[in-house]
Amino acid sequence: KQEVTQIPAALSVPEGENLVLNCSFTDSAIYNLQWFRQDPGKGLTSLLLIQSSQREQTSGRLNASLDKSSGRSTLYIAASQPGDSATYLCAVITGNQFYFGTGTSLTVIP
Amino acid sequence: ETGVTQTPRHLVMGMTNKKSLKCEQHLGHNAMYWYKQSAKKPLELMFVYNFKEQTENNSVPSRFSPECPNSSHLFLHLHTLQPEDSALYLCASSQVMTANTGELFFGEGSRLTVL
Repeated sequence: KQEVTQIPAALSVPEGENLVLNCSFTDSAIYNLQWFRQDPGKGLTSLLLIQSSQREQTSGRLNASLDKSSGRSTLYIAASQPGDSATYLCAVITGNQFYFGTGTSLTVIP
Repeated sequence: ETGVTQTPRHLVMGMTNKKSLKCEQHLGHNAMYWYKQSAKKPLELMFVYNFKEQTENNSVPSRFSPECPNSSHLFLHLHTLQPEDSALYLCASSQVMTANTGELFFGEGSRLTVL
């Protein structure tokens, strides 16, 4: 069964810093990997979707990379802002199922 | 606005009540999902509907009863719930439910508290 791990569980950085969030998965036979953001008490907002044939996707200050062979994805956030404070979750699609990590809670300190 | 709308946003119910959660998507998708999110745990898939047909029931207790009248609407009927059922219930949709299902879109969630 696919297992998705996100480390660290929590991260606190000063405003303006560049940072990397990690996502690892045990089964490299994935179709897509998707990164989400979740604000407290809210639903998940899709940030980036990486198809299995792609190695990275970019949207504004966000860049997500995918290395299927090593079972890893990273989400790079450039020039972090207090508004980036949220929980970031990754999900992989294996077969017909989405498998979610437990997320990294990010706090950006002004 | 993600194109997936959930109502109500908050619900408090007693263990003997019957209530329903509603989800509507305006994205033209054909697959809809119910997830349960509890503190410190990964999202738990509950039910999946693909073209109105239920394709997944992840060993969910019968006190949760899903209904999908069409590809745009999904309901979760609740009865005789337990306090441990208190959680955030999330509805999601995608183009189709196949091996390469595409992007998943979520609603804002319904926060359920069972007294």
